[in-house]
Amino acid sequence: ELKVEQNPLFLSMQEGKNYTIYCNYSTTSDRLYWYRQDPGKSLESLFVLLSNGAVKQEGRLMASLDTKARLSTLHITAAVHDLSATYFCAVDISGNQFYFGTGTSLTVIP
Amino acid sequence: DGGITQSPKYLFRKEGQNVTLSCEQNLNHDAMYWYRQDPGQGLRLIYYSQIVNDFQKGDIAEGYSVSREKKESFPLTVTSAQKNPTAFYLCASSFFLNSPLHFGNGTRLTVT
Repeated sequence: ELKVEQNPLFLSMQEGKNYTIYCNYSTTSDRLYWYRQDPGKSLESLFVLLSNGAVKQEGRLMASLDTKARLSTLHITAAVHDLSATYFCAVDISGNQFYFGTGTSLTVIP
Repeated sequence: DGGITQSPKYLFRKEGQNVTLSCEQNLNHDAMYWYRQDPGQGLRLIYYSQIVNDFQKGDIAEGYSVSREKKESFPLTVTSAQKNPTAFYLCASSFFLNSPLHFGNGTRLTVT
């Protein structure tokens, strides 16, 4: 059974600080996605990573993929309150089956 | 604007009743999915469909049924056989292969 593990599950950080969220998965895949979910809302696609070594950046967020280590990271630079949300990684193992991590709930404190 | 529409947003039912959740997309996506989200947990796949008139079970299909008679529509029925149906249900769609999921706004189902 495919396992997708995120850590930490909960993250409270001060504005202006940097931090990294980790996503480990248990089977071979070179397709990984990051999503954001605001409380009570749906999921919004953030990044699509489709090869080993892929790196994508949008604003204060940067995602990377190491398929050999089966690891993706989501790095937050100089956090601001607007980044408070739950972040999910999802692994695609067959082109159409997505397995989600448990999510990382991020709270940015002024 | 293109998107995925789920209805209703909130749904209340009594135990023992079947209920159908609607999902419609006008993105011309091939694949459609149903996920269940419980508080503090990730998303779990219920069913998915890659083409019209074909669908596959996900990890937690027991107690659920779906149909895909049109490309745009993928309704989910929560049957009385589902032992713990209260949850947040998310419908999603994507182009086939290597593209992210686009999600609807979800339906929050409460069964008492």
